[in-house]
Amino acid sequence: QLQLQESGPGLVKPSQTLSLTCSVSGGSIKSGSYYWTWIRQPAGKGLEWIGRIYINGSTKYNPSLRSRVTMSVDTSKNQFSLKLSSVTAADTGVYYCARGGEFGELLRWGQGTAVIVSS
Amino acid sequence: QSVLTQPPSVSGAPGQRVTISCTGSSSNIGAGYDVHWYQQLPGTVPKLLIYGNSNRPSGVPDRFSGSKSGTSASLAITGLQAEDEADYYCQSYDSSLSGYVFGTGTKVTVL
Repeated sequence: QLQLQESGPGLVKPSQTLSLTCSVSGGSIKSGSYYWTWIRQPAGKGLEWIGRIYINGSTKYNPSLRSRVTMSVDTSKNQFSLKLSSVTAADTGVYYCARGGEFGELLRWGQGTAVIVSS
Repeated sequence: QSVLTQPPSVSGAPGQRVTISCTGSSSNIGAGYDVHWYQQLPGTVPKLLIYGNSNRPSGVPDRFSGSKSGTSASLAITGLQAEDEADYYCQSYDSSLSGYVFGTGTKVTVL
């Protein structure tokens, strides 16, 4: 059974770069036509789609975050990553990674990792 | 502010039918892009409930159904159960944003 697990610092200082990794187990990140996706959710609020990356490296980002987001994939480690630069308190929340289908449906999710932006 | 609007809350008694609307525009639902629905039980990870407007992943009860018409989509829950109390989100692609968007979310309360 495919599993995804987010990892990274739980606390990031304002203006710094948030870096998260999603490790995929129980299957290869290279198999199938899937889009590896990041989503976030501020406490008590709704879901926000951050962006997605395909195995060939092609990306699509939320336009509101595009200038600060970079996603990458490492097939040798079976993982993909998110970098969000110049963070502020508004970037605080739970960050999820997920495996997405061709039409954006998010088929399987990680457990999420909480990130707090604070000095 | 999301481009997909949902009612903040809906409620119903056990056994009743409730529907959740997801109102979009000509650049997303109205453009023919698929709508997906997610259920987020309290304190848990969102779960795909409906994909491609009306398809249920394996394991999702047939009490849940989705439909789409024009610039809106709907999620219906029939035979409402206490365990259905959760937040529900729609999702679609928006061509003007060139990205995917989630709806504002709806909290379902079982009375």
